[in-house]
Amino acid sequence: GAVVSQHPSRVICKSGTSVKIECRSLDFQATTMFWYRQFPKQSLMLMATSNEGSKATYEQGVEKDKFLINHASLTLSTLTVTSAHPEDSSFYICSATPRRGHTEAFFGQGTRLTVV
Amino acid sequence: AQTVTQSQPEMSVQEAETVTLSCTYDTSESNYYLFWYKQPPSRQMILVIRQEAYKQQNATENRFSVNFQKAAKSFSLKISDSQLGDTAMYFCAFNTGGFKTIFGAGTRLFVKA
Repeated sequence: GAVVSQHPSRVICKSGTSVKIECRSLDFQATTMFWYRQFPKQSLMLMATSNEGSKATYEQGVEKDKFLINHASLTLSTLTVTSAHPEDSSFYICSATPRRGHTEAFFGQGTRLTVV
Repeated sequence: AQTVTQSQPEMSVQEAETVTLSCTYDTSESNYYLFWYKQPPSRQMILVIRQEAYKQQNATENRFSVNFQKAAKSFSLKISDSQLGDTAMYFCAFNTGGFKTIFGAGTRLFVKA
C-alpha cells in the first residue's frame, strides 16, 4: 500500500522560532498533498493544499505567512510554522493521494508541535 | 458547500456486540466517495471502509459494513462483534476523488470489556 512518512513525530520549540515539518510519499508520486491541523478531541481541519511546482492553496482563515508550504518535488512537501507561538501548538497531519482519481487519502503519522 | 455531520460525539458498546455510528453529508456533486477512518490513541489515521457513490451495493470489510442511503445522504458504519481494539475516534469523510477530503467532527467509540 501507499506509505506517507511525516517527520518529526514530535517537536518542542521556543516562541518566536520556526519549525519545519516534512511529509514524504515513500512509494508513489504525489502532485498534491494536504496539510491538516487537529486540536485535542477535535476533527481534522484542512489548512492548505500543497501543489507540486506551484503555490499552495490555503483555506479561509489560515495565515499564508505563518504557515509556509513548499512542495518542491513529487514526493516531498514541507510545512514551516514561522515565528511560532504557544497557540500554534497542535497536531499537524499531512496526507497524499497516489494519483488523480484515486479515491483514498494516505496519512502521515502526524507531528505534535509544542511551542513553549 | 460540502459538509459532513456526525451527530454522536461519544458512544459505547459492550465487547462482542454491534454498534452503529451515524453520518450524514451534503454535496451537489454526483460522483463522490465516502470513507470511515479510525484514529486510535496513536493518532495514525487508518482507513476502515470506503464507498463509491455510484455503487448501490453497501461496502463491507470483515466486521465493518456501511448503510449507504444516497437519496438521504446518509452513510452509517456498523461494527459487528466489537473488540477492545476498536476503541478509537471514528471519522466519516468525503471527497470527490483525488481532491481534498472533508471530515466530520468524529465519534469517540469506547468498547467495554
